[in-house]
Amino acid sequence: EDQVTQSPEALRLQEGESSSLNCSYTVSGLRGLFWYRQDPGKGPEFLFTLYSAGEEKEKERLKATLTKKESFLHITAPKPEDSATYLCAVQANFNKFYFGSGTKLNVKP
Amino acid sequence: DVKVTQSSRYLVKRTGEKVFLECVQDMDHENMFWYRQDPGLGLRLIYFSYDVKMKEKGDIPEGYSVSREKKERFSLILESASTNQTSMYLCASSFPRTEQETQYFGPGTRLLVL
Repeated sequence: EDQVTQSPEALRLQEGESSSLNCSYTVSGLRGLFWYRQDPGKGPEFLFTLYSAGEEKEKERLKATLTKKESFLHITAPKPEDSATYLCAVQANFNKFYFGSGTKLNVKP
Repeated sequence: DVKVTQSSRYLVKRTGEKVFLECVQDMDHENMFWYRQDPGLGLRLIYFSYDVKMKEKGDIPEGYSVSREKKERFSLILESASTNQTSMYLCASSFPRTEQETQYFGPGTRLLVL
């Protein structure tokens, strides 16, 4: 069965304390893996798309990596404004997307 | 810049009312999607459309219908709203058949059915 699992469900960090969020997936025929940031009461905001194992992408304090079974979102020296829910989604085939339940990140000053 | 807009941020409706949620994208995307998001359940696909007048059922289409008369506009219709349709509704669009099949989301509509 195709599915996406994110861990942990919630993460509390001190400002400057680096960490990683995990997205593991079991899908047939991966076409792409997507990371989004979602603030309370708002729609998901696109961060990264990864297509093949070994690929990495960076944006400010965020770095996404992809293996054949999972993706990591590394957060380096986070700031309070990085607090949000981070969603992972996988595209299995034409217009078939699976979303994880998200990791709620809270960065304390 | 990518732009997906939704007609309302908040809606309050009564049970049995017909509800229209509209979504407009200005990126000339062919694919458009409607999801609902509930705590603990994540995003669930209601319907999607890959072309004007074309639609496909998602995972939870019961109680909903959609309309796509123009490429840029995708409407979600609740024929007779029920309290279990209280949720956050998210519209998204994407451009298919390229490597960039990323879905871009609108701001969401929070619907309360009383």
